[in-house]
Amino acid sequence: DIVLTQSPGTLSLSPGERATLSCRASQSVNSNYLAWYQQKPGQAPRALIYGASSRATGIPDRFSGGGSGTDFTLTISRLEPEDFAVYFCQHYDTSEWTFGHGTKVEIK
Amino acid sequence: QVQLVQSGAEVKKPGASVKVSCKASGYTFTNYYLHWLRQAPGQGLEWMGIIKPSLGSTDYSQKFQGRVTMTWDTSTTTVYMELSSLRSEDTAVYYCARTNALYCSTSKCYFEYWGLGTLVTVSS
Repeated sequence: DIVLTQSPGTLSLSPGERATLSCRASQSVNSNYLAWYQQKPGQAPRALIYGASSRATGIPDRFSGGGSGTDFTLTISRLEPEDFAVYFCQHYDTSEWTFGHGTKVEIK
Repeated sequence: QVQLVQSGAEVKKPGASVKVSCKASGYTFTNYYLHWLRQAPGQGLEWMGIIKPSLGSTDYSQKFQGRVTMTWDTSTTTVYMELSSLRSEDTAVYYCARTNALYCSTSKCYFEYWGLGTLVTVSS
């Protein structure tokens, strides 16, 4: 089974700063099936990025995704106050859906 | 607009079963599959299984095989997730979710729509 490891566990930044989040897979994966989600307290996750680099509907362009093979990144170019949340990466492979444990982006 | 409306919070004793519902609307029910996921307090997300109404089938994560049963009612466009032999570790928010495409093997799939979640608390 593929394991997704996210780092760092917590990222402390100020509004306006750039955030770079990492998701590493235990083996090479098809980037078509790599997605990122944002989750705020008490809410369901919201899809941000799918296919490693495509933005989901309505997602602002300050969010971008990249990577291939085993290493993927989510970048938030300039943090807005509403971006402080937990972010998960997720992979799909033949009827199994796997999530990383998340990176919390908190206000410094 | 697509909506997934879940049933309310439940409190159960260890060893009991729980059945959570999710009513789908805003799209043709049989054109998409629906999934169940869960999230324990302060933890990540865990996929439990998939319901395929158009195929009349389900697939479960190996972790929950033998303990979970997912069903659906096409006439009411509602899906159900029943988890048995509950233990304290099953305390979590349970979500139903729908992907953006039907065939994830040939599309860039992701969970596009989510229910609000149902908190299941297992406590003696």
